[in-house]
Amino acid sequence: DTGVSQDPRHKITKRGQNVTFRCDPISEHNRLYWYRQTLGQGPEFLTYFQNEAQLEKSRLLSDRFSAERPKGSFSTLEIQRTEQGDSAMYLCASSSSIDTQYFGPGTRLTVL
Amino acid sequence: EDQVTQSPEALRLQEGESSSLNCSYTVSGLRGLFWYRQDPGKGPEFLFTLYSAGEEKEKERLKATLTKKESFLHITAPKPEDSATYLCAALYNNNDMRFGAGTRLTVKP
Repeated sequence: DTGVSQDPRHKITKRGQNVTFRCDPISEHNRLYWYRQTLGQGPEFLTYFQNEAQLEKSRLLSDRFSAERPKGSFSTLEIQRTEQGDSAMYLCASSSSIDTQYFGPGTRLTVL
Repeated sequence: EDQVTQSPEALRLQEGESSSLNCSYTVSGLRGLFWYRQDPGKGPEFLFTLYSAGEEKEKERLKATLTKKESFLHITAPKPEDSATYLCAALYNNNDMRFGAGTRLTVKP
């Protein structure tokens, strides 16, 4: 399968702990996106990379969130000092052009 | 602020009962309109991209259309396996991608 992959698929953590998620995009795609989705809502944009450069960050992305894409391949999203409000599905998507984005299966985060 | 609104929020159909889902969006600066299908606990699955008013695309029992201010996803003779949440997303010239909250479709046998 050459689609977008994410790891882990599920993460349960205690409030105040740090968590890190990984996304491996489709190999020929140079654009990578992170979204957050809560129950009953559509995905909400967090940040965007073109190759290794982080070009956009949502105003909703607090200082506790950081994302990297070293060497323009896989990406990581770290959340520091997690809060219960961070509980959500974190989705990664990739694209080869500025348009159609292909999504991974997501990482479900539960903060207790 | 750019907005995308989907209706209805939920739709229950009998197998074979055709219907349409609606997506309305902020028109100014639109570059493309996307439809995705999402099954519970999974990531969205790409269905269609539409770029200009009058454009139509089809895939099996689904057909997406675009007018100047809204898009429709028509479902013809749906089957239970078409049950899912259908998401609409609008991409704007400033690279802003906005998703609607989705329509939760249930098709009963």
